[in-house]
Amino acid sequence: DGGITQSPKYLFRKEGQNVTLSCEQNLNHDAMYWYRQDPGQGLRLIYYSQIVNDFQKGDIAEGYSVSREKKESFPLTVTSAQKNPTAFYLCASITGQGSGNTIYFGEGSWLTVV
Amino acid sequence: EDQVTQSPEALRLQEGESSSLNCSYTVSGLRGLFWYRQDPGKGPEFLFTLYSAGEEKEKERLKATLTKKESFLHITAPKPEDSATYLCAVQPPPSGTYKYIFGTGTRLKVLA
Repeated sequence: DGGITQSPKYLFRKEGQNVTLSCEQNLNHDAMYWYRQDPGQGLRLIYYSQIVNDFQKGDIAEGYSVSREKKESFPLTVTSAQKNPTAFYLCASITGQGSGNTIYFGEGSWLTVV
Repeated sequence: EDQVTQSPEALRLQEGESSSLNCSYTVSGLRGLFWYRQDPGKGPEFLFTLYSAGEEKEKERLKATLTKKESFLHITAPKPEDSATYLCAVQPPPSGTYKYIFGTGTRLKVLA
């Protein structure tokens, strides 16, 4: 089945540690996104990529990094510079770069600082 | 500032008790309005996309409508399995942009 696969589902990070969340899609979508979801807040954009080897910062990019070496993959690294990383992280993608395109989501990854 | 506001924040219904969820937006022009269902600990599941005022879409017990300033998600004769958080998002102009603005959602609980 086509879809967006995020892994791991649960991840624990120690202080000072970098961790990477995986996102793979087999929908042949061009653009991919990373959002952060906290209780009581709307989804906030971390990074997005419209094409391979290109990505842009979203509203809350500080302490995060990404890469887009393949169309199918858009991993997110949460660095030690991110002081409050505990959250639910969602990867998403859309087909094309036009307007009005529906954005589809993966199942999410929980990150907890221990 | 472009903004999406959903109301109510939480809603409890008895099984079979129809109601509506509201999504109001303050964007000049609209490229698309999207409704999602999100179960606890899961990613949002796509329900509907609406593009222009007057448009309506239906799926089982759900019906989404759109005006120039707001959208409604009508739930007819809900069942306990409809319990979830319902999210609304808009894509403002210009076209081709990456930007989607999400509301904070309405938590729906349907009691048997």
